[in-house]
Amino acid sequence: TQLLEQSPQFLSIQEGENLTVYCNSSSVFSSLQWYRQEPGEGPVLLVTVVTGGEVKKLKRLTFQFGDARKDSSLHITAAQPGDTGLYLCAGWANNLFFGTGTRLTVIP
Amino acid sequence: IAGITQAPTSQILAAGRRMTLRCTQDMRHNAMYWYRQDLGLGLRLIHYSNTAGTTGKGEVPDGYSVSRANTDDFPLTLASAVPSQTSVYFCASSDGQGAEAFFGQGTRLTVV
Repeated sequence: TQLLEQSPQFLSIQEGENLTVYCNSSSVFSSLQWYRQEPGEGPVLLVTVVTGGEVKKLKRLTFQFGDARKDSSLHITAAQPGDTGLYLCAGWANNLFFGTGTRLTVIP
Repeated sequence: IAGITQAPTSQILAAGRRMTLRCTQDMRHNAMYWYRQDLGLGLRLIHYSNTAGTTGKGEVPDGYSVSRANTDDFPLTLASAVPSQTSVYFCASSDGQGAEAFFGQGTRLTVV
């Protein structure tokens, strides 16, 4: 059973559109991370959020940690083709557990 | 800096054969992990090691074993491969809980 569920699983949007990816769990995590994975590569860390309610921004990407530290969201503003990839949330609870992943395609 | 090195890159294996996936890190991280990645299921934790000499079971440990004789190496062994073990396997390391996890390039294993 996967501890973290992501939605949507697949997302295909036009360049310039906004999007939000959700990461939900019934478990509490001490911190939550978002990774991005390119084909043929391992995941690479984008951000770590630690405090409930925390919001972090990375250029056009905004990450939020839920108040209860059970869920998180990733919002991308004005998506670009370079944002295409697999986005994975991951929560630390003694070990690092990954979500089911969201495959994003941004069409030029 | 190499980071995490996995070998082989890919392998086709006959069912019932024994196979060891190799993983080496040069970052002196205490914690190391093995994940498998299947379509629609993200990465699932197979086994982990918090420090040299200790190992633990993750979410999907059945059919796999690991050892951690030293800080740098964390091999994953499939004693008798089955087709359901066809997957992409990733090794990772971190400097402890909450820290960034660094991943290898993965091993694509096909069991036929």
